[in-house]
Amino acid sequence: GAVVSQHPSRVICKSGTSVKIECRSLDFQATTMFWYRQFPKKSLMLMATSNEGSKATYEQGVEKDKFLINHASLTLSTLTVTSAHPEDSSFYICSARNPSGRFKNIQYFGAGTRLSVL
Amino acid sequence: ELKVEQNPLFLSMQEEKNYTIYCNYSTTSDRLYWYRQDPGKSLESLFVLLSNGAVKQEGRLMASLDTKARLSTLHITAAVHDLSATYFCAVDIGGASGTYKYIFGTGTRLKVLA
Repeated sequence: GAVVSQHPSRVICKSGTSVKIECRSLDFQATTMFWYRQFPKKSLMLMATSNEGSKATYEQGVEKDKFLINHASLTLSTLTVTSAHPEDSSFYICSARNPSGRFKNIQYFGAGTRLSVL
Repeated sequence: ELKVEQNPLFLSMQEEKNYTIYCNYSTTSDRLYWYRQDPGKSLESLFVLLSNGAVKQEGRLMASLDTKARLSTLHITAAVHDLSATYFCAVDIGGASGTYKYIFGTGTRLKVLA
């Protein structure tokens, strides 16, 4: 199946610093990528939809100035958690929509990034 | 409000037993997916259901979709310990809205007892 690479897999940072997470689609061009957040023992919550070449669309309640999303190319979207605080600690998962392929328009998921803010 | 509910939320079952996980959703969609998640890991795709009446089977798992009832089921046959994980359904609201978003179910944490 299609491959989506997410990096880093784990990051520990001090409160107040910014952290960038990368999501790459390795074998298809993704005009749309998605960023999810997952709290322990909870479901995935969609944070934002990242569209190549345009601004991201954020879900209600997600602070766009806190979670900066850039989708500068058809294979790369980045999520930057700015001025991170302990409450931002979570598991972040990206996905990329494949507009073609065997199952048109389905999402392929990255391996996730566990962020711990001290 | 768009809701995707799974039940049960927790399931503890004996090996070799059968059980069904239900996924109910509140919007129109004919695309639904099932995923498995192991602790600390991301999602593993299990099934892609793309039409009403779709049925897919892989090993001890079988998934079905009834778009009229807005219901999908994940049936486990003769459970084994290796199936212990959290299972999520996800409803694709992309076609109607054009946004291609997934709404995830609440998750079912399955524990198979040896």
